[in-house]
Amino acid sequence: GEDVEQSLFLSVREGDSSVINCTYTDSSSTYLYWYKQEPGAGLQLLTYIFSNMDMKQDQRLTVLLNKKDKHLSLRIADTQTGDSAIYFCAESNQGGKLIFGQGTELSVKP
Amino acid sequence: DTEVTQTPKHLVMGMTNKKSLKCEQHMGHRAMYWYKQKAKKPPELMFVYSYEKLSINESVPSRFSPECPNSSLLNLHLHALQPEDSALYLCASSQVVLAGGSGELFFGEGSRLTVL
Repeated sequence: GEDVEQSLFLSVREGDSSVINCTYTDSSSTYLYWYKQEPGAGLQLLTYIFSNMDMKQDQRLTVLLNKKDKHLSLRIADTQTGDSAIYFCAESNQGGKLIFGQGTELSVKP
Repeated sequence: DTEVTQTPKHLVMGMTNKKSLKCEQHMGHRAMYWYKQKAKKPPELMFVYSYEKLSINESVPSRFSPECPNSSLLNLHLHALQPEDSALYLCASSQVVLAGGSGELFFGEGSRLTVL
């Protein structure tokens, strides 16, 4: 079945890099996504990567995809206190559903 | 306009009440979604509408009744809810239904529902 797994918590110091990891099981997923959810808010799409890509960079965000190991990571450079949020990894299946991981709560300490 | 607007932001209702959640988008999207999210958990898909027709119902209890009056509006009618239905209800839209595609989901801020 489809499953997306993430570690639940990550704590970093301001200015450090954060790396949030995700594993997924559906090898037919064409796109993989990272969403950010701040307290009391909806989900915001941060970035997505097409499955035939290894890497995608967008300003402070770098997404790495290892399709062989079904491993996705999100690196946030120069992490700021405003980056504190829950980050969800997600894959879209052939039926049109978005399968979310459990979310990683990122805490950025000054 | 890249917003999905949900009303009300907060709703408290008794188990015998009937209420509705509303969602609106003006991005010309033809797919709209309802998700339920418990605290610090991922969103769970409830319903998907594609071109104003219900295309996915994730075995949601009938006390939740979705309605898509037109391509811009999505409602969720609530009746005889249980306390365990208390959650954040998120509406989302995309250009078309995701089918392994890159259709970006735009989420609203959610309606926080408390059932007493």
